[in-house]
Amino acid sequence: ETGVTQSPTHLIKTRGQQVTLRCSSQSGHNTVSWYQQALGQGPQFIFQYYREEENGRGNFPPRFSGLQFPNYSSELNVNALELDDSALYLCASSPTGEGYGYTFGSGTRLTVV
Amino acid sequence: QKEVEQDPGPLSVPEGAIVSLNCTYSNSAFQYFMWYRQYSRKGPELLMYTYSSGNKEDGRFTAQVDKSSKYISLFIRDSQPSDSATYLCATDTGRRALTFGSGTRLQVQP
Repeated sequence: ETGVTQSPTHLIKTRGQQVTLRCSSQSGHNTVSWYQQALGQGPQFIFQYYREEENGRGNFPPRFSGLQFPNYSSELNVNALELDDSALYLCASSPTGEGYGYTFGSGTRLTVV
Repeated sequence: QKEVEQDPGPLSVPEGAIVSLNCTYSNSAFQYFMWYRQYSRKGPELLMYTYSSGNKEDGRFTAQVDKSSKYISLFIRDSQPSDSATYLCATDTGRRALTFGSGTRLQVQP
């Protein structure tokens, strides 16, 4: 299987709710990162997982959490949604973890109302 | 001040023009420099990357990095309507978290 697949494509949630976004990476891609891209902005690093352990985190509060599974899938969970969480959430995976080696998915568009 | 600054555009050019896209950065620890292209409703796609200073050419695309002035450039020769997209510069300290510019929206008019 090639490429990075994200689901769902679009999602609408109410403020205060919780959401889980999913990502399926290429076989052999042990490193997965999640990014948040607000409208008109570049992606911002949320966190990175390597072999199911978080090994790097950006400037995001603890209500953003993640999981990585042995089958190269991963999840981003966001609790207590706020209106400012409305954004495109991107998953990126890499076989090496080097910055130039990442393949991005098409993202999940989350709207919080 | 953002770590990576990029003019948001939009930049509109006629087909066949040479396009110059630029970024500046503030963190001298950045080692890898990348350019991504992002079409509407899609994720970023890596176009080119360079390590440290210098030039790199790939077909119609040339990336330049000047670490002394902390300046990153992407040149597109013979621009095509299919090049219309948002172009994102990105850097990496070597610790794998990418820092992106805000993106420049490019429109190539047929």
